[in-house]
Amino acid sequence: TQLLEQSPQFLSIQEGENLTVYCNSSSVFSSLQWYRQEPGEGPVLLVTVVTGGEVKKLKRLTFQFGDARKDSSLHITAAQPGDTGLYLCAGVRGGSEKLVFGKGTKLTVNP
Amino acid sequence: DTGVSQDPRHKITKRGQNVTFRCDPISEHNRLYWYRQTLGQGPEFLTYFQNEAQLEKSRLLSDRFSAERPKGSFSTLEIQRTEQGDSAMYLCASSSRGRAGELFFGEGSRLTVL
Repeated sequence: TQLLEQSPQFLSIQEGENLTVYCNSSSVFSSLQWYRQEPGEGPVLLVTVVTGGEVKKLKRLTFQFGDARKDSSLHITAAQPGDTGLYLCAGVRGGSEKLVFGKGTKLTVNP
Repeated sequence: DTGVSQDPRHKITKRGQNVTFRCDPISEHNRLYWYRQTLGQGPEFLTYFQNEAQLEKSRLLSDRFSAERPKGSFSTLEIQRTEQGDSAMYLCASSSRGRAGELFFGEGSRLTVL
């Protein structure tokens, strides 16, 4: 059983379109992270959210943490080919130092 | 470069052989993590250290796997009697105290078992 479920698994869109990626769980997390990974490289941290209902913006990326701290979303506005990559959500449960990952959403932005 | 470094980047071995991977974390980070990632999957937690103490191990870490961080600095991950199912990317990451979840990853060591 996957602790963090991401959807969609694959997403192929045209440059300029908007998209949303979802990360859901039945568990409560003390913090949730979004990472981006390119082929042959390790994941790179994009953002951390810790407060239920929190919204963070990073240029064209908007991250939201659910009120109950069980889910999160990533919204990209006006996607560009440089946004192509594997987007991973990950979370830490209370009392643990272990970061668990979802399976990821593979995003392709076509020029 | 003061990021997390891993060595080797690629390793091809025959089934039954032993392999060892090394990870050098960011120097001021006291936490070090090992993950395994297969194609199309997110990273799976294997183990983590706080300084030299190994605090948690995954069930995925069978008795053929062993990890050490002898002086609280670099770490090694050894796989004995490799099997084809061990083929994966092995990722190392480090973090500082109080920043749980904010990991800095190396570029990984890709293992292919023939």
